Amino acid sequence: SQQGEEDPQALSIQEGENATMNCSYKTSINNLQWYRQNSGRGLVHLILIRSNEREKHSGRLRVTLDTSKKSSSLLITASRAADTASYFCATERSNYQLIWGAGTKLIIKP
Amino acid sequence: DTEVTQTPKHLVMGMTNKKSLKCEQHMGHRAMYWYKQKAKKPPELMFVYSYEKLSINESVPSRFSPECPNSSLLNLHLHALQPEDSALYLCASSRRQVPGNQPQHFGDGTRLSIL
Repeated sequence: SQQGEEDPQALSIQEGENATMNCSYKTSINNLQWYRQNSGRGLVHLILIRSNEREKHSGRLRVTLDTSKKSSSLLITASRAADTASYFCATERSNYQLIWGAGTKLIIKP
Repeated sequence: DTEVTQTPKHLVMGMTNKKSLKCEQHMGHRAMYWYKQKAKKPPELMFVYSYEKLSINESVPSRFSPECPNSSLLNLHLHALQPEDSALYLCASSRRQVPGNQPQHFGDGTRLSIL
């Protein structure tokens, strides 16, 4: 079943610009995770933010979590061509299952 | 290179064939997962194994039969599949299923085509 919704569905920006993707969910969660998937490849874990955390950084990635609004955002700063991929959010429920968002397809134009 | 290895990378089979997908990890993870992913869609959970025991079966048709022979290996046996079963099949692992708060590590998948 799919709990998360992501927007935008697709995002095309110039190299060097920042990219922001949003994820919303419906029920209480243990954590929210972001994954990247390059075309034809498996998913790569980017960041996990727990329900009691509000912001987390990893390199050029910044994730925020607002549990009152049941939403999260992923910011990629100074985008590169290699960031072109699909990005999925996934929320972990109390039964430890991941519920996946529909994904955002990000295209970085040179 | 990923730390979860899936074989084969591609598989084409007829509806009457029997085949198996294999997944291997050597990270000492005790939770392993099978997902099905259709094009431009998120992964759909099929099965979860925790400490080599089936923990979750998401009402998957019996033509898919999982097996976890040991803590490093996960198989998915396929029999009498339908054309709509064509998809990318992903294996993942995590240190433990319970407690949570642990990321999943994915293989690159097996691209399955049913003729």
